Amino acid sequence: EIVLTQSPDTLSLSPGERATLSCRASQSVSSHLAWYQQKPGQAPRLLMYDTSSRATGIPARFSGSGSGTDFTLTISSLEPEDFAVYYCQRHRAFGQGTRLEIK
Amino acid sequence: EVQLVESGGGLVQPGGSLRLSCAASGFSFSTYDMHWVRQSTGKGLEWVSAIGAAGQTYYPDSVKGRFTISRENAKNSFFLQMDSLRVGDTAVYYCAREFDTGVGWYFDLWGRGTLVTVSP
Repeated sequence: EIVLTQSPDTLSLSPGERATLSCRASQSVSSHLAWYQQKPGQAPRLLMYDTSSRATGIPARFSGSGSGTDFTLTISSLEPEDFAVYYCQRHRAFGQGTRLEIK
Repeated sequence: EVQLVESGGGLVQPGGSLRLSCAASGFSFSTYDMHWVRQSTGKGLEWVSAIGAAGQTYYPDSVKGRFTISRENAKNSFFLQMDSLRVGDTAVYYCAREFDTGVGWYFDLWGRGTLVTVSP
C-alpha cells in the first residue's frame, strides 16, 4: 500500500510570493500523481494530473513536477484565492494535506 | 450541466444503516467508473469505494463487509449502502467521477458532499 506524505503541514506566505508544496510517496508511483485544491465548505478540485498536466480551467501559475517518489506543486505568484488546503493523490491514496495560509 | 449530487446523509446510531445516493447529469454516466471518498471533520480525504463501468466493485479494508456500492445506469445514479456503522464512519461523503488518462486515474468531478453522523 502506497503512503503519500506531504510537507510542510502548513505554509504561511503572502500574496505575490512563490509557493512550493511537496509530496513524497513510500514507493515509486512513476508519474501517476495528482494535486487537488480544497477550500472551506467545498469539494476538492482537480488541479494537476499525471504530475504536470493542468486540469481544465487551471491557471498557468500552477505547475507540477517530479517523478518516482518526490513531487512538487508550485504556485508561481500567489493570488488571494489560492489560499486553501492542497492534497496529492495517487489512485486510492491521498496525502494528509498542506494548508496554505496568508502570512 | 455536468454535475454530481449526493443525498441520503443524516444522523444514525452506531450499528445502524444508511444508504447514500449520487445522481449524475450532463455526461455519459454508464461509461465511467465512479467512487465514494469521505472526509472527517478537519481531516484529510479517504477513499471509500469504487464501482467500474462494468459493475466490478472495490473497497478498502476499513469498510469491506460493511459497505456496498452499486449503480443503476438507467437512472444515472450510484449508491453506497452502509451497514454496521461506527462512530469512526462520521464524515462528509463525496461521490466522484474517475478520470483515466491511460497513465493514471484521478477524480475530475466531485459532488458537494453529504454529511453522515454516527452517534449514540
